[in-house]
Amino acid sequence: NAGVMQNPRHLVRRRGQEARLRCSPMKGHSHVYWYRQLPEEGLKFMVYLQKENIIDESGMPKERFSAEFPKEGPSILRIQQVVRGDSAAYFCASRGAHTGELFFGEGSRLTVL
Amino acid sequence: GESVGLHLPTLSVQEGDNSIINCAYSNSASDYFIWYKQESGKGPQFIIDIRSNMDKRQGQRVTVLLNKTVKHLSLQIAATQPGDSAVYFCAENILVDDMRFGAGTRLTVKP
Repeated sequence: NAGVMQNPRHLVRRRGQEARLRCSPMKGHSHVYWYRQLPEEGLKFMVYLQKENIIDESGMPKERFSAEFPKEGPSILRIQQVVRGDSAAYFCASRGAHTGELFFGEGSRLTVL
Repeated sequence: GESVGLHLPTLSVQEGDNSIINCAYSNSASDYFIWYKQESGKGPQFIIDIRSNMDKRQGQRVTVLLNKTVKHLSLQIAATQPGDSAVYFCAENILVDDMRFGAGTRLTVKP
């Protein structure tokens, strides 16, 4: 029973490029969360999605960032025109419909040169 | 723009001692809380949870205490071991479907 799978684990981009981070939730989980973490800092909530719906995107910047969780396939966090300040670890978590526990992936570490 | 981040508070303990990690949560309506452990380079892992109708819950070597009056949560680790060195986060369930994390505390265990 695979856990939450994130890829790529490491991504290097130059300023102005696009970054796409993918998250496959645990089997049977329909709730996905994205968090951002800077070195030596806590987890900052970005967005909460259910299948085909964005439930709460209050933590996500209004520009350049978008997220989706299509009916089929993984959730995608997309960052357009990346800047150096986007360098961080991005964690995805999923949970089932009737549980509160979040299961985390190992994260995708984005480095913007 | 983005808010300024806060660097993690740290707690250093001697191997074999007990550790107490504290967390203040924000919403008096929160009804479910979780402690997570994050080792370097890895994602957070569930340690223990507690519902708001409880004051205390015990697991293996860990105990979580909840004080709703002052909105305070603590994690106690008994006989701390080097493998306990990590960053510990508390999370609160603010709405039915939403989990928000505290700033985290870095625990360092000295041999």
